[in-house]
Amino acid sequence: DAGITQSPRHKVTETGTPVTLRCHQTENHRYMYWYRQDPGHGLRLIHYSYGVKDTDKGEVSDGYSVSRSKTEDFLLTLESATSSQTSVYFCAISENSGGSTDTQYFGPGTRLTVL
Amino acid sequence: AQSVTQLDSHVSVSEGTPVLLRCNYSSSYSPSLFWYVQYPNQGLQLLLKYTSAATLVKGINGFEAEFKKSETSFHLTKPSAHMSDAAEYFCVVLAYYGNNRLAFGKGNQVVVIP
Repeated sequence: DAGITQSPRHKVTETGTPVTLRCHQTENHRYMYWYRQDPGHGLRLIHYSYGVKDTDKGEVSDGYSVSRSKTEDFLLTLESATSSQTSVYFCAISENSGGSTDTQYFGPGTRLTVL
Repeated sequence: AQSVTQLDSHVSVSEGTPVLLRCNYSSSYSPSLFWYVQYPNQGLQLLLKYTSAATLVKGINGFEAEFKKSETSFHLTKPSAHMSDAAEYFCVVLAYYGNNRLAFGKGNQVVVIP
């Protein structure tokens, strides 16, 4: 298994509070991704990173920000959580520079509930 | 942008019978396609991938998928379902070259009936 951990694994918070989720990898992979999973939607990309301090938006980035100050850590922040952000969040990593043979490896997920 | 379509959000199969999960993709160039499996309360695990080599791709746990360009399909099959195959399965296409962004289908929830 790829060395990916996510913390926390479960979190319950209240509307309007800030929340930060952490993804940590031990593979030294260049690319890191944050997805959210909701029933009937599959996984949708929130943000991704292609190197330290290099990030870009995905398809559902509103309300989220990210930071990557080290290769191994990718943080996802909800500045002011809303109930619509209740979801399961997955981090993924891939090694290469976007080649067609790249495979993304997924972490175990974080279940976030916003009350 | 590339996309995939998975019909039949829920699929029931009897143990020992074949499994067929359908996936159709849209792509303006030769696609890279993947099937991932997600067991309850776990992350996603790669089953198999197609990257323009052999059109019949064999994966883990006895699954295989055939790439058919003329039909824009990448259906997943297994000859005989096992109880441990109960999971959600996602067909995925590489959406954009250069940053490895993926586009996911909505998934097939597979139930195996004893």
